[in-house]
Amino acid sequence: SAVISQKPSRDICQRGTSLTIQCQVDSQVTMMFWYRQQPGQSLTLIATANQGSEATYESGFVIDKFPISRPNLTFSTLTVSNMSPEDSSIYLCSVEDGGYREGDTEAFFGQGTRLTVV
Amino acid sequence: AQKITQTQPGMFVQEKEAVTLDCTYDTSDQSYGLFWYKQPSSGEMIFLIYQGSYDEQNATEGRYSLNFQKARKSANLVISASQLGDSAMYFCAMREGAGNQFYFGTGTSLTVIP
Repeated sequence: SAVISQKPSRDICQRGTSLTIQCQVDSQVTMMFWYRQQPGQSLTLIATANQGSEATYESGFVIDKFPISRPNLTFSTLTVSNMSPEDSSIYLCSVEDGGYREGDTEAFFGQGTRLTVV
Repeated sequence: AQKITQTQPGMFVQEKEAVTLDCTYDTSDQSYGLFWYKQPSSGEMIFLIYQGSYDEQNATEGRYSLNFQKARKSANLVISASQLGDSAMYFCAMREGAGNQFYFGTGTSLTVIP
């Protein structure tokens, strides 16, 4: 099973600033995923980070607001740009591992970054 | 339509009792996987149990079991002998065979009462 280290674990930021969240995996993975979890809500996929190509963003999320880097197969960053209080959420990095048949994979998550924008 | 539906926003259970958390799903794929995750107040997501759509037997992992009823498209989580440390948010999730994205339900907040 993959082990994911995500940092920072929490931060309080001023509106208008940017925060970069780092995600390190202990094994090489093709795709890494970034999720947002707003207070009291479920997880929403922001984008899929592919090594060697641009990230694929879900509807409602744009690269200018959430730029993503994927320099190699074990590391990715998500930046939350020009933050506002509405960006206060938990941000989670995830990878998939395992499975000998389609659908038989498990999503592993980092510890999450609890962001508060004031 | 929602891919994953969890109709219980909050549940209470007495310590040492069993509790069932409901989950229904919607997919037209024949191959898919169903997952349950636990999220304590610290925010991390902890994998609990997995059920493949082709699995004939219900999945079990220690005190966790998944009551899989394919015809009804339900995948309820059963926690036996509840412990105080089980108090957390629980999310049901699905991954369809052809895709990479996990779809999550809205979660159920479980509180174990001593």
